[in-house]
Amino acid sequence: QVQLRESGPRLVTPSETLSLTCIVSGGSISDYLWSWIRQSPGKGLEHIGSVYHSGINYYNPSLRSRVSITADTSKNQFSLSLNFVTAVDTAVYYCARVVISGSWDAFDSWGQGAEVTVSS
Amino acid sequence: SSGLTQDSAVSVALGQTVRITCQGDILRDYYASWYQQKPGQAPVLVIYGNNFRPSGIPDRFSGSTSGTTASLTITGAQAADEGDYFCVSRDTIGHHYVFGAGTWVTIL
Repeated sequence: QVQLRESGPRLVTPSETLSLTCIVSGGSISDYLWSWIRQSPGKGLEHIGSVYHSGINYYNPSLRSRVSITADTSKNQFSLSLNFVTAVDTAVYYCARVVISGSWDAFDSWGQGAEVTVSS
Repeated sequence: SSGLTQDSAVSVALGQTVRITCQGDILRDYYASWYQQKPGQAPVLVIYGNNFRPSGIPDRFSGSTSGTTASLTITGAQAADEGDYFCVSRDTIGHHYVFGAGTWVTIL
């Protein structure tokens, strides 16, 4: 059974870069698509972006200018960088595995979530 | 529009049936998947590919789609089913995923 765990600082200064890593165990990141999703206080879930082990990635158009998601097959992990953060980026950040089919996709495994606060 | 619309909340008596809907144009191209989320916990996949259940999800959960509306039905709702339910689908542009705002289900 694959397990995902978010790692990284939980407090980020405004205008700085939020950096998180998702450590994957029990499965290889060479399979599937891998995603970052966030949930702001009192708001719903928002897809940030996704990455394949090859490095091909997809980003939410509303965040594309500030986001980078990369994969490291040697460490079996993938990472999120979000630049120029403000208070509105305060959220719980989840990493998740995506199963893809011809007519459906599904996030079948999730990390426990990392609560990140943007504050000085 | 690429959004997914859900009712904000619904309630159901213990043992009765409740249907949660998710409406959006993108559902013409990709099936929705459904997730249950309880306070302080990560979401859990309950339905994918219109009506497939992951291992461990009770068969009281089922899904369906008609046109641009996807539905999640809980038949014989249990106290453990109380929580937030989100639908998700894939936008046809740019391989981006769109989430519904969630429907809070209260078991009476």
